[in-house]
Amino acid sequence: NAGVTQTPKFQVLKTGQSMTLQCAQDMNHNSMYWYRQDPGMGLRLIYYSASEGTTDKGEVPNGYNVSRLNKREFSLRLESAAPSQTSVYFCASTRGIAGELFFGEGSRLTVL
Amino acid sequence: QKEVEQNSGPLSVPEGAIASLNCTYSDRGSQSFFWYRQYSGKSPELIMSIYSNGDKEDGRFTAQLNKASQYVSLLIRDSQPSDSATYLCAVNTSGGSNYKLTFGKGTLLTVNP
Repeated sequence: NAGVTQTPKFQVLKTGQSMTLQCAQDMNHNSMYWYRQDPGMGLRLIYYSASEGTTDKGEVPNGYNVSRLNKREFSLRLESAAPSQTSVYFCASTRGIAGELFFGEGSRLTVL
Repeated sequence: QKEVEQNSGPLSVPEGAIASLNCTYSDRGSQSFFWYRQYSGKSPELIMSIYSNGDKEDGRFTAQLNKASQYVSLLIRDSQPSDSATYLCAVNTSGGSNYKLTFGKGTLLTVNP
């Protein structure tokens, strides 16, 4: 059982480039999340999808877009990367109301 | 702004001791509370959840909740070097969506052999 799978695990971008982080879960969970984690800032919610077909902004959505492609997949897109988006990104999922989250292994993104 | 506060640490305890990790939250109507453990370079993993006042025990871990004081804690008995990690407190606040967790910044615990 893979759980939550994120790709890529590492990425280096130049300022202004775009990229998409992919996330897939095989636990039949309804809700999916994208967080970023920065030193001294903790985990901050970027976007979430409570159920297939819905997405909502979290605490720090600026500069990002998301797509809930189906029940399994939730992608995060950076349209024009900025150095401030250098971070570790975590995808997570849960069956129902937020709380008992299962996290992916994380994607480390560096924007030069 | 709903806040979750934790001491950043580091908290250092000897092997075999009790480690006590504390968390306060600002939203009095919060309903559910969670502790996650994060090893360096790894993703967070859920270790405890608590929903009502009092204590909840799971092995060497005890979560304590006091809603009147807006305080939740995690006790780790017989601490082991393998417990060395950052512990994140997370709260599902009552206002707005039930689908969002607010995390504290975490407390770094070091257990010394």
